[in-house]
Amino acid sequence: GAGVSQSPSNKVTEKGKDVELRCDPISGHTALYWYRQSLGQGLEFLIYFQGNSAPDKSGLPSDRFSAERTGGSVSTLTIQRTQQEDSAVYLCASSLDRDPNQPQHFGDGTRLSIL
Amino acid sequence: TQLLEQSPQFLSIQEGENLTVYCNSSSVFSSLQWYRQEPGEGPVLLVTVVTGGEVKKLKRLTFQFGDARKDSSLHITAAQPGDTGLYLCAQEGTSGSRLTFGEGTQLTVNP
Repeated sequence: GAGVSQSPSNKVTEKGKDVELRCDPISGHTALYWYRQSLGQGLEFLIYFQGNSAPDKSGLPSDRFSAERTGGSVSTLTIQRTQQEDSAVYLCASSLDRDPNQPQHFGDGTRLSIL
Repeated sequence: TQLLEQSPQFLSIQEGENLTVYCNSSSVFSSLQWYRQEPGEGPVLLVTVVTGGEVKKLKRLTFQFGDARKDSSLHITAAQPGDTGLYLCAQEGTSGSRLTFGEGTQLTVNP
């Protein structure tokens, strides 16, 4: 596609359930990033992929959060046993490679609401 | 993690007015990026500043990087309702190329 695509756009689920968020990066982009944006806060880095490997997972807030990337393309972010504080907009970005001169292109995010 | 402070947090002005928003850090930036985010969408890169003292213009937007590379400003001339949005500054982190964002300035331009 022309841009980064995320699905679903909105997700409402009950506390304790698992959720899976999907990101389709721009074709050919080897670097992929997940961020979280909570109400009244800036974007918080979660994890970074270069190809299928994740050299930087330092932003994942707990072991309930995990992510994978397959085929150097699609990535999924999984949150297990969701808590109310997990409610946020989850944004995915991709860039041509990890060169900081390459801009990151963001998707429109998944708005996650935990009841 | 370097803390980026943005001010003001909220700004509501009338169409045609000028405004400036600021991004500051206690440490030196290697480079700084400005993004704009509209409701329901992801941030969109406006500009990257790299050199101390650098000034970049994008139509009615003027971006300045401080000489010491510890601060940056975004000035909008003759604001229009279409300028409404969340303006974010961001810096590349020390680990890889992840971005560290400020909390943003929410700008509302009233017609």
